[in-house]
Amino acid sequence: KAGVTQTPRYLIKTRGQQVTLSCSPISGHRSVSWYQQTPGQGLQFLFEYFSETQRNKGNFPGRFSGRQFSNSRSEMNVSTLELGDSALYLCASSLGPPGAGSSYEQYFGPGTRLTVT
Amino acid sequence: AQSVTQLDSHVSVSEGTPVLLRCNYSSSYSPSLFWYVQHPNKGLQLLLKYTSAATLVKGINGFEAEFKKSETSFHLTKPSAHMSDAAEYFCVVSGANGGSQGNLIFGKGTKLSVKP
Repeated sequence: KAGVTQTPRYLIKTRGQQVTLSCSPISGHRSVSWYQQTPGQGLQFLFEYFSETQRNKGNFPGRFSGRQFSNSRSEMNVSTLELGDSALYLCASSLGPPGAGSSYEQYFGPGTRLTVT
Repeated sequence: AQSVTQLDSHVSVSEGTPVLLRCNYSSSYSPSLFWYVQHPNKGLQLLLKYTSAATLVKGINGFEAEFKKSETSFHLTKPSAHMSDAAEYFCVVSGANGGSQGNLIFGKGTKLSVKP
């Protein structure tokens, strides 16, 4: 089975631009989560989607948004990029569904390295 | 609210000696706990998970962790370190926004160095 794939792997953007990152989950997985990893803040949860619905959102500004398609693929968008948005963005998929008592493992992709200059 | 604290930011061991990576958690209910490993320039790989079954959990590559509720700890151990174990290790608790456990809360990570 193919793992989680993320495209592109590397991206360089300028302040003020916007960017879209893509994530294809493991076949059969319906839950996709996004995380931001930086040296200073570590790994932080961005949002989670299940069956095209955002179920959970982390503490990030509205410039960060996402969506999930009917085939479970997900995209996240960051508008009006700031230097501080430079990070490794990780996508994870799981069988789901999320909910009390659920403990589905999340499988991570290799990440997209975003550099904002 | 859930949180995890990894007590060491960096651990250095010699090859063939035991590994101990320490993690304390805070949770208002019975948590699901995980250990993930991240090798340089790679994604995160699940080592093991605890979900209120056996308190001693065995994972991949010879790692195991013991859930101790009285100490709110979930330390990761391995009897004998290998050079390939050098990586960053994350202790993780599942979040619970409105009962959902779809988001993970990560510790700050422990970098494990293995000396020959």
